[in-house]
Amino acid sequence: DIQMTQSPSSLSASVGDRVTITCRASQGVARWLAWYQQKPGKAPKLLIYPASTLQSGVPSRFSGSGSGTDFTLTISSLQPEDFATYYCQQADRFPPAFGQGTKLEIK
Amino acid sequence: EVVLVQSGAELKKPGESLRISCQASGYNFLNFWIGWVRQMPGKGLEWMALILPTASDIRYSPPFQGQVTISADKSVNTAYLQWNNLKASDSALYYCARWNSDKLIFDHWGQATLVTVSS
Repeated sequence: DIQMTQSPSSLSASVGDRVTITCRASQGVARWLAWYQQKPGKAPKLLIYPASTLQSGVPSRFSGSGSGTDFTLTISSLQPEDFATYYCQQADRFPPAFGQGTKLEIK
Repeated sequence: EVVLVQSGAELKKPGESLRISCQASGYNFLNFWIGWVRQMPGKGLEWMALILPTASDIRYSPPFQGQVTISADKSVNTAYLQWNNLKASDSALYYCARWNSDKLIFDHWGQATLVTVSS
């Protein structure tokens, strides 16, 4: 099975900052990667799939890139509502595998 | 609009049984896999089980095989997750989510059911 590793596990940043979260797959997954956003007390929400395609309604300050084993999620200018935990998930083959999450906190 | 509505929070004792539910609407329930994802306190997301209601085809993640039972009732567009012998370690948030088997992603999520197992 494919394993997913995210870094960092947590990140402190300020409103307006540019932040990048990294996700690495143990095997190549082409561009079949999803990113989810989970706000405190809420269900995860699909943000990006595949790799760089924003879901409907997701602000353009979010972007995804990568292919193969290495992927990034970038937020170009953090807004207060972006403080959340972000998970990657490989979508190349069954079974699904999530990264351990990156908690984005306010500095 | 796809909506998944889960049953309410549960407080149970070790050894008890429990079934939680997830009612789907806004799409053809028979044609999509639906599953359960566990989130232990302060931890990440773990997929547990998936079911395709039209065929009752089921997949379990190995750590959860034999520990829980997934089922679905097509007549009420509802998926279930059942335990027969709850443990304190089953205390967690449980999300149901629609599994898109073409894209291999969970594309819609329920609001979560909190299960607390305590003596």
